[in-house]
Amino acid sequence: DTAVSQTPKYLVTQMGNDKSIKCEQNLGHDTMYWYKQDSKKFLKIMFSYNNKELIINETVPNRFSPKSPDKAHLNLHINSLELGDSAVYFCASSQGTGGTNSPLHFGNGTRLTVT
Amino acid sequence: RKEVEQDPGPFNVPEGATVAFNCTYSNSASQSFFWYRQDCRKEPKLLMSVYSSGNEDGRFTAQLNRASQYISLLIRDSKLSDSATYLCVVNPSYGGATNKLIFGTGTLLAVQP
Repeated sequence: DTAVSQTPKYLVTQMGNDKSIKCEQNLGHDTMYWYKQDSKKFLKIMFSYNNKELIINETVPNRFSPKSPDKAHLNLHINSLELGDSAVYFCASSQGTGGTNSPLHFGNGTRLTVT
Repeated sequence: RKEVEQDPGPFNVPEGATVAFNCTYSNSASQSFFWYRQDCRKEPKLLMSVYSSGNEDGRFTAQLNRASQYISLLIRDSKLSDSATYLCVVNPSYGGATNKLIFGTGTLLAVQP
C-alpha cells in the first residue's frame, strides 16, 4: 500500500546507455513530478505533469524525456547517460497544483550511478 | 541571491535542547511555505506547512515573517529521533508556474545523547 513507488531503487549503468525509471502513485493525485537531488543534496525540480499534461519543464537536457500514460504514472527515460547524471531521482505527487494544501508526497528515490 | 537560503549546519545539540532554524526566500510574491524533513538516504517528508499566523504541531513551531521574507522552525525538547536534515520549501507562484516548489539545501540537525 505504498503511496508513491518508483523502480528501480538502485541503477548502475555505463556512460552512453539508455535507462528508464518508473513511478506510480495510488493517492489519486492529479499532479506528478520528477526531482533530482545531486551530490550536494540540492533538490531541484525537473518536470511536472498535471492530468497527463506537461506543466513544468525546467532547463533539463533533452536526453531526459518524461512520459505520463495516465495520471497515476510518470516515467522518466534518459538517453545517452553521462557521468553528471549520477544523482538520486525522486518522483513525487500532489493533489492539485498549488497552495498550502498541496504538499508533495515523495517516492523513496532511485539512486543512479553512471560509470 | 539564492531563491531559498538556509544555514547548512550541522547543528549539534543535546537531547532536550531547543533549537531554531531560519530560512530566507527571495521572491516576495511567494505564497506557500513548508518544512520538510529528510533522513539520511531517504525521501523528503512533509513536516509541516507554514501559515501566516504561525502554527504549532506538538514540539514543532513554524513562523512566517513576510516583511523580512524569512521562515523559522523551532523544535523544543529535542529527541534523538529528530536528527535529520530540515528542508525549507517555498512555492514562488510566479509567471503562471504552478506548484514549482523551491527547496533550500537543508539544515542538518544532530541530536546528541
